[in-house]
Amino acid sequence: EIVLTQSPTTIAASPGEKVTITCRASSSVSYMYWYQQKPGASPKPWIYDTSKLASGVPNRFSGSGSGTSYSLTINTMETEDAATYYCQQWSSTPPTFGAGTKLELK
Amino acid sequence: EVQLVESGGGLVQPGRSMKLSCAASGFTFNNYDMAWVCQAPKKGLEWVATISYDGSSTYYRDSVKGRFTISRDNAKSTLYLQMDSLRSEDTATYYCARQGYSGDWFAYWGQGTLVTVSS
Repeated sequence: EIVLTQSPTTIAASPGEKVTITCRASSSVSYMYWYQQKPGASPKPWIYDTSKLASGVPNRFSGSGSGTSYSLTINTMETEDAATYYCQQWSSTPPTFGAGTKLELK
Repeated sequence: EVQLVESGGGLVQPGRSMKLSCAASGFTFNNYDMAWVCQAPKKGLEWVATISYDGSSTYYRDSVKGRFTISRDNAKSTLYLQMDSLRSEDTATYYCARQGYSGDWFAYWGQGTLVTVSS
């Protein structure tokens, strides 16, 4: 199965700061998907097809990448962005998730 | 508005069975593949199983093959997960998810139902 490695595991950012989360795949994947999860809540779809924002996602978020390296970027961190972000692939079965990156407010 | 509402979780002893349900509304249920995704306490997300839009194909992660069965009733817009021979490591919140139109991601999620396997 394809293993997704996210980095960093935890990151703290101040409001207004730029944040980048990386997801590396053990084999090449065609697309990457991202989810946001806050404590006690279900995951929310955040970015699909590598770079498309899900409904309601602010445009300060962006996604990019190809092959084995993908990233989620927040152009200017806001308080509400504090959450755990997971990447996910389904270029091969089983679909797999990264272990998550916890984004905290500094 | 898409809604997915899971039910059926709770405390169950190791080796016993439990059946989860997910009532779907707000979309044409029989047009979409559906899935179960779980999350052990304080852990990450793990795909469990997927069923095709018409129920003709099912897929499972290796650790649940032969123990879990995913099914659907399109007339009732309901997804199921029959969980047999439960183990302590199956303890998790189980989310029902509607897959994206291309089938490669999880576009909508329910609120989850907690399954605790313990004696």
